Parts: sequence; structure tokens; C-alpha cells
Amino acid sequence: NAGVTQTPKFQVLKTGQSMTLQCAQDMNHNSMYWYRQDPGMGLRLIYYSASEGTTDKGEVPNGYNVSRLNKREFSLRLESAAPSQTSVYFCASSLKEGGTEAFFGQGTRLTVV
Amino acid sequence: AQKITQTQPGMFVQEKEAVTLDCTYDTSDPSYGLFWYKQPSSGEMIFLIYQGSYDQQNATEGRYSLNFQKARKSANLVISASQLGDSAMYFCAMRETSPPDSWGKLQFGAGTQVVVTP
Repeated sequence: NAGVTQTPKFQVLKTGQSMTLQCAQDMNHNSMYWYRQDPGMGLRLIYYSASEGTTDKGEVPNGYNVSRLNKREFSLRLESAAPSQTSVYFCASSLKEGGTEAFFGQGTRLTVV
Repeated sequence: AQKITQTQPGMFVQEKEAVTLDCTYDTSDPSYGLFWYKQPSSGEMIFLIYQGSYDQQNATEGRYSLNFQKARKSANLVISASQLGDSAMYFCAMRETSPPDSWGKLQFGAGTQVVVTP
């Protein structure tokens, strides 16, 4: 199905381990985003990429890095995972910076023990 | 400071009835966008409706309508003729346009859990 694809869907890490969350969209969208969702809270923006070749910090960037590999792909890396990074991570994309609709991936449930 | 406030943590509504989900927002930006998303128990985020700050008409999408009261900074979602499948968490979100690097950032409220009963 067309849309935003995230991998993996579930992951358990030990404190200090690193991992990369992958995201790809096949809608030719310019802008891509990474959010995290914690219990009882809405989504909070970690990083975003307005267009290929650019990335910017969101509300909660500490502990994360991103790479806009090409127009389709936007990855999120945790260099040294901490229990505070236990969360559900969503990737999203929109047609252009400020598009009227953002499409979300299915989410990655990450647990850091 | 909280930019998006959803004061109803949870609501019960009977099937076929209408329900209004409250959302208030805080911004000094004259140009902004307001969104509603649905998150069922399966976890995905489903876009429902969008309202731009300069749009003259309230947005509608099928059974969803957005009651936009700009002066009150209110963007309530109305779901008409509720169905069992409407049971989900509903999030209100806003995007501002200034400073310039705000354009890509959606800010979400805490959400309202809706349970539709037969």
C-alpha cells in the first residue's frame, strides 16, 4: 500500500545500545517528520526535514540524530538509548512544507530497558 | 506554555448521536493551520480535517466538521451520527508559520478518548 512505511514496528533495546528507525514514503512528499508519543500526551516533534538535504530540530531533539537520505527516506538514530526514550515513534510526511495534510506511518513501539 | 488544550480526557457517546470535541489553541501568529487526527486502538494516526486560519468557511469532511471560532481561538471537532468505529483517541494539532522554522512543526494536544456505545 502507498504511504509512509516505518521499520521496525517493535524494538526492545538495552540502555546504551544504538539503533536506527527507518522511514520511507512513496508519495513524492517534500517534508518528513519524526514524532514521539508518550502515554497521556500528544505527539511531540523530534526532528523534521522540510526538503531533501535539510533537517531541523523540533521540540525534543536531545538524544537523537536524523538523516534525510534522499527524498523518500528519513531515518532517526538513537546513539545511546536511555529508558526515557521508551516511546512510540511516528514518522510523517507532507507534500510541501506546510502542506494541509500530514500522513503518518504505523509507528514504532520502542522499549529501552 | 501549552499551545493546544483539549479539556476532555474522555467521553462516552451513544451510537448515531453527535459529539463535540473541544480544542482551544494559543498563538499570536496570524497565519496558522489546525488539524484533527484520529488514533484508534491499533495505533495509527489518521488525518480527519484541516482548517486554515484565513479560511472563511468551517471545514467539513463527511461526518466531520470543524467549528472554527477564531476570536475565541477555538477549533472544536463535531462528529455527526457517531458509529462504533469512531471509538478512538482524537488529537487536535496546530501549525504556526512564524518564526519561519515553525512551518513544519505540528503541535498536538493531549487528546480526547471517545467511546461510542450501542
